[in-house]
Amino acid sequence: SQQGEEDPQALSIQEGENATMNCSYKTSINNLQWYRQNSGRGLVHLILIRSNEREKHSGRLRVTLDTSKKSSSLLITASRAADTASYFCATDREAQKLVFGQGTRLTINP
Amino acid sequence: GAGVSQSPSNKVTEKGKDVELRCDPISGHTALYWYRQSLGQGLEFLIYFQGNSAPDKSGLPSDRFSAERTGGSVSTLTIQRTQQEDSAVYLCASSPRSIGTGNTIYFGEGSWLTVV
Repeated sequence: SQQGEEDPQALSIQEGENATMNCSYKTSINNLQWYRQNSGRGLVHLILIRSNEREKHSGRLRVTLDTSKKSSSLLITASRAADTASYFCATDREAQKLVFGQGTRLTINP
Repeated sequence: GAGVSQSPSNKVTEKGKDVELRCDPISGHTALYWYRQSLGQGLEFLIYFQGNSAPDKSGLPSDRFSAERTGGSVSTLTIQRTQQEDSAVYLCASSPRSIGTGNTIYFGEGSWLTVV
């Protein structure tokens, strides 16, 4: 079964709006990471949050982690057309490998 | 090299043929991963190499799939007697050390495999 499950599966918003994507997982983790994928090619790392952290920022990205609820959220503020991509969360449940969710397909409409 | 390099970028093969997919990780990275992604789906873990340790093959879907990593660098994923359900993007990634230490992994652009 998937360790990380993102929701929504698809999200379409207007340029300039904020986009929020959520990720839930089932077992304890050391770290949770968010990745971005353009057009079905390689993934690019966005941000890593450790299990003892609750919030982290990087530019227009804000990630939160709630270990009691086993969930994380990724917020992209002031979205741009170039943010259109699929976003995946990944957890290191088994320490040696990252387990990815199904992803959220984000579309930013100009 | 500057990044993870995968070849071929695209491969169309006939059902029943064998295919080999190659991954050249970032120089100095000891960990190497193979994932598979079907159209519109998430990433499915296949296999993980870390240094000289025995690889974690727990994600390989059948005995038609195998992978090796020679000299701790280049890796080859081999699919024997390909089936149509093997059609997917095969993504390779590498990292400096194991994930448990909080490392990120760096992906190649993937190899698109189509079995006809």
